[in-house]
Amino acid sequence: DTEVTQTPKHLVMGMTNKKSLKCEQHMGHRAMYWYKQKAKKPPELMFVYSYEKLSINESVPSRFSPECPNSSLLNLHLHALQPEDSALYLCASSQDGTDEKLFFGSGTQLSVL
Amino acid sequence: LAKTTQPISMDSYEGQEVNITCSHNNIATNDYITWYQQFPSQGPRFIIQGYKTKVTNEVASLFIPADRKSSTLSLPRVSLSDTAVYYCLVGDPIKAAGNKLTFGGGTRVLVKP
Repeated sequence: DTEVTQTPKHLVMGMTNKKSLKCEQHMGHRAMYWYKQKAKKPPELMFVYSYEKLSINESVPSRFSPECPNSSLLNLHLHALQPEDSALYLCASSQDGTDEKLFFGSGTQLSVL
Repeated sequence: LAKTTQPISMDSYEGQEVNITCSHNNIATNDYITWYQQFPSQGPRFIIQGYKTKVTNEVASLFIPADRKSSTLSLPRVSLSDTAVYYCLVGDPIKAAGNKLTFGGGTRVLVKP
């Protein structure tokens, strides 16, 4: 299994909603990542977890809250988002954070109304 | 982190070879060069990685000159399905606590019939 699975594939939410994005991998990878990608732009790194600990937070607003319940799962909790947060949210994993070969999921296309 | 510069877009025709050059003038001694491919509404996919000289796999070749200040991704005999955005990343894979991978602007390759 070399897949990173993200759910849901599409999400529409209002600015007062609370929702969560989920990511799962069963490759035994110990580093997991959240990226945000706006249309026709490159992915931007948001968070990195290494061995279930948050190791990198790229000054992301607190309305985005990551969580890594175990080595296979990564969540991104969303609260009070703004319309400009609409984007494709990508999850990725790598072997142990020292290997640059990232495996990406297909992303969650988020629309904030 | 080494900054990368790539052409914004390239057009090609089926069956031709496509060469995309990435400039990374401030590449560090321990940095590797990695290329990803991204189709619309999908996550990026690892293509190839190298440190110096030439690397070849079943999908592409990567040419890195001795000064390592640039690299060229070569896609042999492209087909319509190779139409995608190609990203060049430069970074040190031997880092603890996750890996801060930053995507450059990417090159949009359009393969025409």
